[in-house]
Amino acid sequence: AQKITQTQPGMFVQEKEAVTLDCTYDTSDPSYGLFWYKQPSSGEMIFLIYQGSYDQQNATEGRYSLNFQKARKSANLVISASQLGDSAMYFCAMREGRRANNLFFGTGTRLTVIP
Amino acid sequence: DSGVTQTPKHLITATGQRVTLRCSPRSGDLSVYWYQQSLDQGLQFLIQYYNGEERAKGNILERFSAQQFPDLHSELNLSSLELGDSALYFCASSATPQGAAGNTIYFGEGSWLTVV
Repeated sequence: AQKITQTQPGMFVQEKEAVTLDCTYDTSDPSYGLFWYKQPSSGEMIFLIYQGSYDQQNATEGRYSLNFQKARKSANLVISASQLGDSAMYFCAMREGRRANNLFFGTGTRLTVIP
Repeated sequence: DSGVTQTPKHLITATGQRVTLRCSPRSGDLSVYWYQQSLDQGLQFLIQYYNGEERAKGNILERFSAQQFPDLHSELNLSSLELGDSALYFCASSATPQGAAGNTIYFGEGSWLTVV
């Protein structure tokens, strides 16, 4: 089974609107971390936001927030007030277990912001 | 700017050749990771070093090897290159080797390798 599933290959959003990018994960380990990265066309991988499995509150970083639903094993990224510069690939990733540190990545979602 | 530096940014080489990719982690980070991003395999973890020692191994081919030096920079050596090795190779770093809360992993800009 895939550890990280991103079911939206592509998404479109109007500038200044909010958009939700879906991510579900699969693990039996109670300790894990969830990450979102942005990859613009230039190729660099930019860290956006982190959520730990024991965190009580949803993570937020500026216009980015993570809708963490532990029982459903979902960690959706919400981008508010979309900007043209948000157009990029977005990857959800998981670090599984307390001793591991490598990340499992999903297949990504390509977000296009329409002016 | 993540603070992780990778060189070269682009590299074109022929099949059968050997290349070395270099990475300098963020200041203070002791752990270095290598990832490969290809069209057919997506993003895959290759290997992790912590303070000079190999910490974890992922889907790294035997033709590939890596090391981390005393100054904490790391090199990924790719030999007997094949067309399928064409990919974007990322280096990443973090402060600690283990999965602690808030232990974010920061990526460099990647090295684009094209094998012709």
